[in-house]
Amino acid sequence: DAGVIQSPRHEVTEMGQEVTLRCKPISGHDYLFWYRQTMMRGLELLIYFNNNVPIDDSGMPEDRFSAKMPNASFSTLKIQPSEPRDSAVYFCASSHDREGGEQYFGPGTRLTVT
Amino acid sequence: GIQVEQSPPDLILQEGANSTLRCNFSDSVNNLQWFHQNPWGQLINLFYIPSGTKQNGRLSATTVATERYSLLYISSSQTTDSGVYFCAVVFWSNYGQNFVFGPGTRLSVLP
Repeated sequence: DAGVIQSPRHEVTEMGQEVTLRCKPISGHDYLFWYRQTMMRGLELLIYFNNNVPIDDSGMPEDRFSAKMPNASFSTLKIQPSEPRDSAVYFCASSHDREGGEQYFGPGTRLTVT
Repeated sequence: GIQVEQSPPDLILQEGANSTLRCNFSDSVNNLQWFHQNPWGQLINLFYIPSGTKQNGRLSATTVATERYSLLYISSSQTTDSGVYFCAVVFWSNYGQNFVFGPGTRLSVLP
């Protein structure tokens, strides 16, 4: 398996623009997680899905953030409108209950909002 | 919710030295993972270790679930071991799987 795939790897955008981050989990995994990492706050869980259904979105910072998982092999995290404080590395991870929850992370998307 | 603590927060070693990193958690968990985040930002799985001891080359880990801690041992450290080491615990709630990260230990190995 290719592992968790994220795109783009780097994104630079201007304040106010819409940003869409994409993730393809490992085939067969039924959990998908979105994290954000910054120097100030460390690694934060934003939202996670089980079988494509959002289970806990309490980490989503505000209404400007939304996440979808239309099928088992694809998820998006959207920020609209983006702000400079959204600059961070966004990670996607996936896991499977049968494997006891061992998580595998993608390479991350480095977002810079100017 | 479950609290995860790691110590020390920072560690500087000379190449060749050994070290022990600790992870404490506040309640029973189903599983525990150790990750290494390298200087390029990649999060790499090191160990998946709900209990017992595992070894992989110069690294080994021990989890004592009944006492709510896990240890990561690095022997004969190399400069490529530099980065941040995270432990993360997994537990199940009514909503499903939950995953909590510790704050990390930043390791610098000097040549």
